[in-house]
Amino acid sequence: GENVEQHPSTLSVQEGDSAVIKCTYSDSASNYFPWYKQELGKRPQLIIDIRSNVGEKKDQRIAVTLNKTAKHFSLHITETQPEDSAVYFCAASKTGNQFYFGTGTSLTVIP
Amino acid sequence: DSGVTQTPKHLITATGQRVTLRCSPRSGDLSVYWYQQSLDQGLQFLIQYYNGEERAKGNILERFSAQQFPDLHSELNLSSLELGDSALYFCASNSEQGSEAFFGQGTRLTVV
Repeated sequence: GENVEQHPSTLSVQEGDSAVIKCTYSDSASNYFPWYKQELGKRPQLIIDIRSNVGEKKDQRIAVTLNKTAKHFSLHITETQPEDSAVYFCAASKTGNQFYFGTGTSLTVIP
Repeated sequence: DSGVTQTPKHLITATGQRVTLRCSPRSGDLSVYWYQQSLDQGLQFLIQYYNGEERAKGNILERFSAQQFPDLHSELNLSSLELGDSALYFCASNSEQGSEAFFGQGTRLTVV
Protein backbone atom coordinates (compact mmCIF):
# COMPACT_ATOMS: atom_id res chain seq x y z
CA GLY A 1 0.00 0.00 0.00
CA GLU A 2 0.81 3.66 0.02
CA ASN A 3 3.31 5.13 2.49
CA VAL A 4 3.27 8.85 3.21
CA GLU A 5 6.13 10.45 5.12
CA GLN A 6 5.90 13.99 6.47
CA HIS A 7 8.58 16.35 7.74
CA PRO A 8 9.23 18.10 10.00
CA SER A 9 7.19 16.80 12.91
CA THR A 10 7.38 20.17 14.67
CA LEU A 11 7.99 23.62 13.25
CA SER A 12 8.26 27.00 14.97
CA VAL A 13 8.34 30.22 13.00
CA GLN A 14 8.14 33.91 13.81
CA GLU A 15 4.96 35.67 12.85
CA GLY A 16 5.25 36.95 9.31
CA ASP A 17 7.79 34.34 8.26
CA SER A 18 7.07 31.47 5.89
CA ALA A 19 6.52 27.83 6.82
CA VAL A 20 7.17 24.84 4.60
CA ILE A 21 6.04 21.27 5.25
CA LYS A 22 7.14 18.43 3.01
CA CYS A 23 5.64 15.03 2.25
CA THR A 24 6.71 12.10 0.15
CA TYR A 25 4.60 9.23 -1.10
CA SER A 26 5.44 5.82 -2.47
CA ASP A 27 2.63 4.82 -4.82
CA SER A 28 3.00 6.46 -8.21
CA ALA A 29 -0.69 5.74 -8.87
CA SER A 30 -1.77 8.21 -6.17
CA ASN A 31 -3.47 11.12 -7.87
CA TYR A 32 -5.01 13.33 -5.16
CA PHE A 33 -3.09 15.13 -2.42
CA PRO A 34 -5.02 17.10 0.19
CA TRP A 35 -3.70 19.04 3.16
CA TYR A 36 -5.65 19.22 6.39
CA LYS A 37 -5.36 21.56 9.34
CA GLN A 38 -6.35 20.28 12.75
CA GLU A 39 -6.70 22.48 15.78
CA LEU A 40 -6.52 20.91 19.22
CA GLY A 41 -9.47 18.62 19.84
CA LYS A 42 -11.13 19.59 16.58
CA ARG A 43 -11.77 17.79 13.33
CA PRO A 44 -9.30 17.96 10.45
CA GLN A 45 -10.31 20.56 7.89
CA LEU A 46 -9.18 20.71 4.32
CA ILE A 47 -7.14 23.81 3.55
CA ILE A 48 -5.89 23.05 0.06
CA ASP A 49 -5.58 20.12 -2.30
CA ILE A 50 -3.86 19.29 -5.57
CA ARG A 51 -4.40 16.66 -8.23
CA SER A 52 -1.70 14.84 -10.11
CA ASN A 53 -2.28 16.75 -13.34
CA VAL A 54 -1.32 20.03 -11.67
CA GLY A 55 2.11 21.11 -10.47
CA GLU A 56 1.17 24.00 -8.23
CA LYS A 57 -1.90 25.53 -6.65
CA LYS A 58 -2.26 28.68 -4.60
CA ASP A 59 -4.98 30.06 -2.36
CA GLN A 60 -4.11 33.40 -0.77
CA ARG A 61 -1.27 32.73 1.70
CA ILE A 62 -1.27 28.98 1.14
CA ALA A 63 0.29 27.11 -1.76
CA VAL A 64 0.98 23.49 -2.57
CA THR A 65 3.50 22.11 -5.04
CA LEU A 66 3.66 18.61 -6.46
CA ASN A 67 6.60 16.85 -8.06
CA LYS A 68 5.28 13.60 -9.51
CA THR A 69 8.67 12.42 -10.68
CA ALA A 70 10.18 12.68 -7.24
CA LYS A 71 6.89 11.72 -5.57
CA HIS A 72 6.84 14.60 -3.15
CA PHE A 73 4.55 17.52 -2.41
CA SER A 74 4.89 20.50 -0.15
CA LEU A 75 2.74 23.00 1.70
CA HIS A 76 3.88 26.61 1.80
CA ILE A 77 2.34 29.15 4.16
CA THR A 78 3.48 32.73 3.73
CA GLU A 79 3.10 35.68 6.12
CA THR A 80 2.26 33.32 8.96
CA GLN A 81 -0.12 34.44 11.68
CA PRO A 82 -0.71 33.09 15.20
CA GLU A 83 -3.99 31.54 14.05
CA ASP A 84 -2.02 29.35 11.66
CA SER A 85 -0.75 27.44 14.70
CA ALA A 86 -2.15 23.91 14.43
CA VAL A 87 -1.25 20.42 13.32
CA TYR A 88 -1.08 19.97 9.56
CA PHE A 89 -1.53 16.62 7.84
CA CYS A 90 -0.76 15.74 4.28
CA ALA A 91 -2.47 12.83 2.58
CA ALA A 92 -2.37 10.85 -0.63
CA SER A 93 -5.06 8.84 -2.29
CA LYS A 94 -5.93 7.30 -5.60
CA THR A 95 -9.26 6.85 -7.22
CA GLY A 96 -11.29 4.20 -5.44
CA ASN A 97 -9.09 4.00 -2.39
CA GLN A 98 -8.69 5.41 1.07
CA PHE A 99 -6.63 8.39 2.15
CA TYR A 100 -3.19 7.71 3.58
CA PHE A 101 -2.13 10.42 5.99
CA GLY A 102 1.29 11.63 7.00
CA THR A 103 2.19 11.72 10.68
CA GLY A 104 1.48 15.42 11.05
CA THR A 105 3.44 18.63 11.61
CA SER A 106 2.80 20.73 14.68
CA LEU A 107 3.23 24.34 13.59
CA THR A 108 3.69 27.08 16.14
CA VAL A 109 3.69 30.70 15.03
CA ILE A 110 5.40 32.90 17.59
CA PRO A 111 3.91 36.41 17.86
CA ASP B 1 -20.14 22.49 9.85
CA SER B 2 -18.83 19.79 7.50
CA GLY B 3 -22.20 18.07 7.11
CA VAL B 4 -20.82 14.85 8.60
CA THR B 5 -22.44 14.03 11.92
CA GLN B 6 -20.98 11.77 14.56
CA THR B 7 -22.61 10.64 17.76
CA PRO B 8 -21.95 10.61 20.58
CA LYS B 9 -19.36 13.35 21.00
CA HIS B 10 -18.01 11.86 24.19
CA LEU B 11 -18.13 8.35 25.58
CA ILE B 12 -16.71 7.02 28.82
CA THR B 13 -16.86 3.31 29.41
CA ALA B 14 -15.13 0.55 31.34
CA THR B 15 -12.66 -2.00 30.10
CA GLY B 16 -14.27 -5.08 28.62
CA GLN B 17 -17.35 -3.21 27.47
CA ARG B 18 -18.72 -2.73 23.97
CA VAL B 19 -19.68 0.57 22.35
CA THR B 20 -21.13 1.70 19.05
CA LEU B 21 -20.12 4.89 17.32
CA ARG B 22 -22.37 6.34 14.68
CA CYS B 23 -21.65 8.42 11.61
CA SER B 24 -24.01 10.10 9.17
CA PRO B 25 -22.19 11.18 6.01
CA ARG B 26 -22.89 14.30 4.00
CA SER B 27 -26.00 14.07 1.89
CA GLY B 28 -25.15 12.21 -1.29
CA ASP B 29 -21.75 10.94 -0.17
CA LEU B 30 -21.37 7.22 -0.77
CA SER B 31 -18.02 6.64 0.90
CA VAL B 32 -17.45 6.56 4.64
CA TYR B 33 -14.03 6.25 6.23
CA TRP B 34 -13.20 5.58 9.87
CA TYR B 35 -9.99 6.84 11.47
CA GLN B 36 -8.54 6.47 14.95
CA GLN B 37 -6.45 9.25 16.47
CA SER B 38 -4.72 8.50 19.74
CA LEU B 39 -3.31 11.31 21.88
CA ASP B 40 -0.80 13.39 19.91
CA GLN B 41 -0.83 10.81 17.14
CA GLY B 42 -1.72 10.82 13.49
CA LEU B 43 -4.81 9.55 11.76
CA GLN B 44 -4.82 5.77 11.55
CA PHE B 45 -7.08 4.40 8.85
CA LEU B 46 -9.44 1.72 10.09
CA ILE B 47 -11.94 0.90 7.38
CA GLN B 48 -13.77 2.29 4.34
CA TYR B 49 -17.28 1.58 3.11
CA TYR B 50 -18.66 2.53 -0.27
CA ASN B 51 -22.39 2.37 -0.90
CA GLY B 52 -22.91 -0.32 1.71
CA GLU B 53 -19.94 -2.50 0.82
CA GLU B 54 -16.60 -2.75 2.55
CA ARG B 55 -14.04 -1.16 0.22
CA ALA B 56 -10.78 -1.20 2.17
CA LYS B 57 -9.45 -2.30 5.51
CA GLY B 58 -6.60 -0.74 7.42
CA ASN B 59 -5.22 -1.39 10.85
CA ILE B 60 -8.51 -2.43 12.34
CA LEU B 61 -8.44 -4.84 15.26
CA GLU B 62 -10.53 -8.00 15.20
CA ARG B 63 -12.38 -6.62 18.24
CA PHE B 64 -13.60 -3.80 16.02
CA SER B 65 -16.18 -4.06 13.27
CA ALA B 66 -18.17 -1.69 11.14
CA GLN B 67 -21.01 -1.58 8.69
CA GLN B 68 -22.76 0.84 6.40
CA PHE B 69 -26.51 0.73 6.20
CA PRO B 70 -28.84 1.27 3.20
CA ASP B 71 -29.38 4.89 4.26
CA LEU B 72 -25.55 5.23 4.08
CA HIS B 73 -24.99 5.93 7.76
CA SER B 74 -22.25 3.86 9.31
CA GLU B 75 -21.54 2.37 12.70
CA LEU B 76 -18.24 1.37 14.22
CA ASN B 77 -18.49 -1.28 16.90
CA LEU B 78 -15.72 -1.62 19.45
CA SER B 79 -15.82 -4.59 21.80
CA SER B 80 -13.76 -5.99 24.68
CA LEU B 81 -12.47 -2.49 25.17
CA GLU B 82 -8.99 -1.91 26.52
CA LEU B 83 -7.39 1.20 27.99
CA GLY B 84 -5.38 1.60 24.79
CA ASP B 85 -8.55 2.00 22.76
CA SER B 86 -9.03 5.44 24.28
CA ALA B 87 -8.82 7.83 21.35
CA LEU B 88 -10.65 10.21 19.08
CA TYR B 89 -12.55 8.33 16.40
CA PHE B 90 -13.31 10.27 13.24
CA CYS B 91 -15.41 9.38 10.32
CA ALA B 92 -15.15 11.13 6.99
CA SER B 93 -17.14 10.99 3.80
CA ASN B 94 -16.76 11.97 0.18
CA SER B 95 -18.87 11.82 -2.91
CA GLU B 96 -16.46 10.18 -5.29
CA GLN B 97 -13.08 8.65 -4.98
CA GLY B 98 -10.23 11.07 -5.21
CA SER B 99 -12.23 14.04 -4.00
CA GLU B 100 -12.26 16.04 -0.80
CA ALA B 101 -13.11 14.08 2.32
CA PHE B 102 -15.12 15.90 4.98
CA PHE B 103 -14.59 14.93 8.58
CA GLY B 104 -17.09 14.72 11.38
CA GLN B 105 -16.31 16.34 14.73
CA GLY B 106 -15.22 13.00 16.15
CA THR B 107 -16.18 10.82 19.09
CA ARG B 108 -13.83 10.98 22.04
CA LEU B 109 -13.75 7.55 23.64
CA THR B 110 -12.31 7.16 27.10
CA VAL B 111 -11.89 3.65 28.49
CA VAL B 112 -11.40 3.51 32.25
